[in-house]
Amino acid sequence: NAGVMQNPRHLVRRRGQEARLRCSPVKGHSHVYWYRQLPEEGLKFMVYLQKENIIDESGMPKERFSAEFPKEGPSILRIQQVVRGDSAAYFCASSLAGGMNTEAFFGQGTRLTVV
Amino acid sequence: EDKVVQSPLSLVVHEGDTVTLNCSYEVTNFRSLLWYKQEKKAPTFLFMLTSSGIEKKSGRLSSILDKKELFSILNITATQTGDSTIYLCAVEPLRDMRFGAGTRLTVKP
Repeated sequence: NAGVMQNPRHLVRRRGQEARLRCSPVKGHSHVYWYRQLPEEGLKFMVYLQKENIIDESGMPKERFSAEFPKEGPSILRIQQVVRGDSAAYFCASSLAGGMNTEAFFGQGTRLTVV
Repeated sequence: EDKVVQSPLSLVVHEGDTVTLNCSYEVTNFRSLLWYKQEKKAPTFLFMLTSSGIEKKSGRLSSILDKKELFSILNITATQTGDSTIYLCAVEPLRDMRFGAGTRLTVKP
């Protein structure tokens, strides 16, 4: 039973390019969360998705960032026209339910470097 | 504004020491507090606490929650160099999860 799988593990993009980060949740999990970790900082919530729905995107920048979790396939975090400040580690977590007392499992993260 | 504050931010001890990491919080509609250990690149779940006064244990690690005083502690006994990493505290269900900045623990031989 594979855990949360994120790919790629490392991604290098030039300024202005698009970055696509993928997250395959634990089998059977329908709730996905994305977090960003900047150097020397803790994890910051970005967006919470349930299959085909964005539940809470309050932590995601309004411009250039978008996320989806289609009925089939992985969740995608998309960053358009990347800038140097987007360089960070992006973590995805999944859970079976989104309510109280829910344990989450994290992926290994994607380290995005913008050059 | 919801807050999760971990202390100390960093801690250096020697092997065999016992350490106590603190997490205090101010959140509306508290539901649970979780501890994670950041291993290499991904946080690993340690404990979930929902009720005051009930200690959870796993090997040399234990944790307890005080909902009246709004804090939790994570204890590590007989520390080993392999315990060196960042320990994260988070509160609320995942939809509104707020993480603390973490405590960086360094265990010296």
